[in-house]
Amino acid sequence: EVQLVESGGGLVQPGRSLRLSCAASGFTFDDYAMHWVRQAPGKGLEWVSGISWNSGSIGYADSVKGRFTISRDNAKNSLYLQMNSLRAEDTALYYCAKDMYDYIWGSYQFDPWGQGTLVTVSS
Amino acid sequence: DIQMTQSPSSLSASVGDRVTITCRASQSISSYLNWYQQKPGKAPKLLIYAASSLQSGVPSRFSGSGSGTDFTLTISSLQPEDFATYYCQQSYSTPRFGQGTRLEIK
Repeated sequence: EVQLVESGGGLVQPGRSLRLSCAASGFTFDDYAMHWVRQAPGKGLEWVSGISWNSGSIGYADSVKGRFTISRDNAKNSLYLQMNSLRAEDTALYYCAKDMYDYIWGSYQFDPWGQGTLVTVSS
Repeated sequence: DIQMTQSPSSLSASVGDRVTITCRASQSISSYLNWYQQKPGKAPKLLIYAASSLQSGVPSRFSGSGSGTDFTLTISSLQPEDFATYYCQQSYSTPRFGQGTRLEIK
């Protein structure tokens, strides 16, 4: 069974940094692109960033470009999101999601998703 | 950026009803359209991909159609477990979701 478990969320002051992690199991992690998608409280879904299976292709939403960095460690079956210069509007539940297809970048079909880790940016 | 607009934003229906949710893209996205279901306190779940392909394990009462700019998600006979929020998402370019449609019990 595919499992994605996010961690690293918490309360952080504006302008500070936070690093999220996603531990993957139940599939061949290094065959698949991975993504971060967030959901502000009571709001809809927003794709944040994605990374190809070999880290050769990376994408970011305009809202986080230059502040967030996605990375992965295939030896550890782990996905990361380094979030710098955090703003109040970054407050959200951050989901890790697996791409549907192996060895394809840009299919952007997210299945499955983890349960999320909550990031709250407030002074 | 391609914008996605869902309608309606909310919908009340009864068990056994046939329900249709629509999603419109601001420009043509061919069939690069996916549908997700999200229940309160849970992560989204992929229902339909590539506009009309049913994800494995999803009941056949769910179906999707459309291409270009206009798409629909249909639930042929609502079951109690179907009351949730539904999102469309374009995968033609940088992913973007619709604002969601909340399906409530009448």
